[in-house]
Amino acid sequence: KQEVTQIPAALSVPEGENLVLNCSFTDSAIYNLQWFRQDPGKGLTSLLLIQSSQREQTSGRLNASLDKSSGRSTLYIAASQPGDSATYLCAVVGGATNKLIFGTGTLLAVQP
Amino acid sequence: SAVISQKPSRDICQRGTSLTIQCQVDSQVTMMFWYRQQPGQSLTLIATANQGSEATYESGFVIDKFPISRPNLTFSTLTVSNLSPEDSSIYLCSVGQGTTYEQYFGPGTRLTVT
Repeated sequence: KQEVTQIPAALSVPEGENLVLNCSFTDSAIYNLQWFRQDPGKGLTSLLLIQSSQREQTSGRLNASLDKSSGRSTLYIAASQPGDSATYLCAVVGGATNKLIFGTGTLLAVQP
Repeated sequence: SAVISQKPSRDICQRGTSLTIQCQVDSQVTMMFWYRQQPGQSLTLIATANQGSEATYESGFVIDKFPISRPNLTFSTLTVSNLSPEDSSIYLCSVGQGTTYEQYFGPGTRLTVT
């Protein structure tokens, strides 16, 4: 059974700092991995999707990497801003099922 | 990307009643999903809503408690029946698109059961 874990559970950084969020999964047979952002009481916003054949994806200040063999992904946020404060979730799709299995989330607070 | 709306955005319901949540997508999609997010927790898949057939439920979720309809390729409903305080959660629908299976989520419905 696929399990997805995110470390750290919570992170507080001063504005302007670069930071890395970690995601690990137990079964390397994934179809893709998706990073989401969730603001308090809101739905999820898709940030980046990495297909199993890819190593990384970039969007603006965000860069996500994927190492399938070791079961790990990282989300790098450059020059953090208070508006980046949210919960960040990673999720994997195993095989061709379309079913997302979510990680435990990292609550990020960027202090002005 | 798909634009997804949900109704209601929030509701407070009495124990023993039911709540039906609507999910509307701005384009035709094959796969629609319903998730639950309990307070302070991550998301758990309830079921996959299939157009023209019965929904496929995940372990721990049953049709009597969470009946789902999918009358067409742009709409689905989730009913949470016989409500108890443990059902207080955010319920989210999502759709999968394209060959990459990228998923997009609605804004969620916050349910509080008293």
